[in-house]
Amino acid sequence: QVQLVESGGGLVKPGGSLRLSCAASGFTFSDYYMSWIRQAPGKGLEWVSYISSSGSTIYYADSVKGRFTISRDNAKNSLYLQMNSLRAEDTAVYYCAREVDVWGKGTTVTVSS
Amino acid sequence: DVVMTQSPLSLPVTLGQPASISCRSSQSLVYSDGNTYLNWFQQRPGQSPRRLIYKVSNRDSGVPDRFSGSGSGTDFTLKISRVEAEDVGVYYCMQGTHWSWTFGQGTKVEIK
Repeated sequence: QVQLVESGGGLVKPGGSLRLSCAASGFTFSDYYMSWIRQAPGKGLEWVSYISSSGSTIYYADSVKGRFTISRDNAKNSLYLQMNSLRAEDTAVYYCAREVDVWGKGTTVTVSS
Repeated sequence: DVVMTQSPLSLPVTLGQPASISCRSSQSLVYSDGNTYLNWFQQRPGQSPRRLIYKVSNRDSGVPDRFSGSGSGTDFTLKISRVEAEDVGVYYCMQGTHWSWTFGQGTKVEIK
């Protein structure tokens, strides 16, 4: 069955870095655009970044532009989010999504000193 | 960014009764290809969001037919014909027409 499993979350100090991964299975990964979406504790949903199926087109939310980098490895069926210069306001559950129809369970990122 | 405004933000409903959630966008969601990329998501407590409706009125596979979507341009509605206990959660509209894609604030549906 279609599955997305995020990993790489954790506790990091302000200014630090984390790399999130999303392992995809059950579908042809290279056929789909992928996204990262986040949800701060007790808050709503915020689109973070988008990458096209080939990786040639990438978008970022203004709130993360210049600090986060999305990438994918179609040979490994994997999606990544490199997060640098992390701030307290980046604290959230980060979801990987196949287009907009399938979401993972999320991985929690906490930025705190 | 396109602002998505949902109402109400809290919706207490009696089991078996209908429910309706409104979503308005700050600009038209009609894309250049003629499609309107307006989705509805359900997030049950402790779970990831699940898409219910895509392109305004198309139900995803496995979504009960008591859920329906309608609207056009900037004004959209999600209706639940008869609320069941499993429908408790937060519902979000989301536009995928203009980057940065944006969500509404969410509407919390609870049982009276």
